[in-house]
Amino acid sequence: EAQVTQNPRYLITVTGKKLTVTCSQNMNHEYMSWYRQDPGLGLRQIYYSMNVEVTDKGDVPEGYKVSRKEKRNFPLILESPSPNQTSLYFCASSSTGLYGYTFGSGTRLTVV
Amino acid sequence: GENVEQHPSTLSVQEGDSAVIKCTYSDSASNYFPWYKQELGKGPQLIIDIRSNVGEKKDQRIAVTLNKTAKHFSLHITETQPEDSAVYFCAGSGGSYIPTFGRGTSLIVHP
Repeated sequence: EAQVTQNPRYLITVTGKKLTVTCSQNMNHEYMSWYRQDPGLGLRQIYYSMNVEVTDKGDVPEGYKVSRKEKRNFPLILESPSPNQTSLYFCASSSTGLYGYTFGSGTRLTVV
Repeated sequence: GENVEQHPSTLSVQEGDSAVIKCTYSDSASNYFPWYKQELGKGPQLIIDIRSNVGEKKDQRIAVTLNKTAKHFSLHITETQPEDSAVYFCAGSGGSYIPTFGRGTSLIVHP
């Protein structure tokens, strides 16, 4: 089944403790992207990647890092999480970068 | 960059009624306009899209219309059913490869 898999689904952590949210897709897609979803603000892009080793900032990149060492994986790294990063995070992938994004099921992160 | 405004933020209808969600965009270079549906506890899923060379596209009970001159596009759902209840997002491209999403519309269909 074609899908984007994120882990974990739920995560509660403390301020300052580094964490990684993993994202993997099995569709051989070139483009991958991370979004955060907050009430009233919709989906805001954090980072995106157009191919292996090619990444760029989205609209809200502060406090996040990403890497794309393999085509299928695109982890999101929070080096020092803060409470304002409490949010619902989505990873998505696309073969063309614009058409038909497939989203993961989301990771609900709470930073206390 | 692209700016996409979406209205209304909440829409409540009775089962069987029609629902219309409207989006406006700022960048005339946008040429692709997808709509995503997000059910509770799930990620958004593409339900319909339209490209700039087409004014309208239909798929069963859903349709999307595009007015490039006015820079707005709309999602129309006819004969709404309770399973249509979800959050709907529109998006524009602004000439880039990455979509910019609207803030979402929570559609509630009352049985």
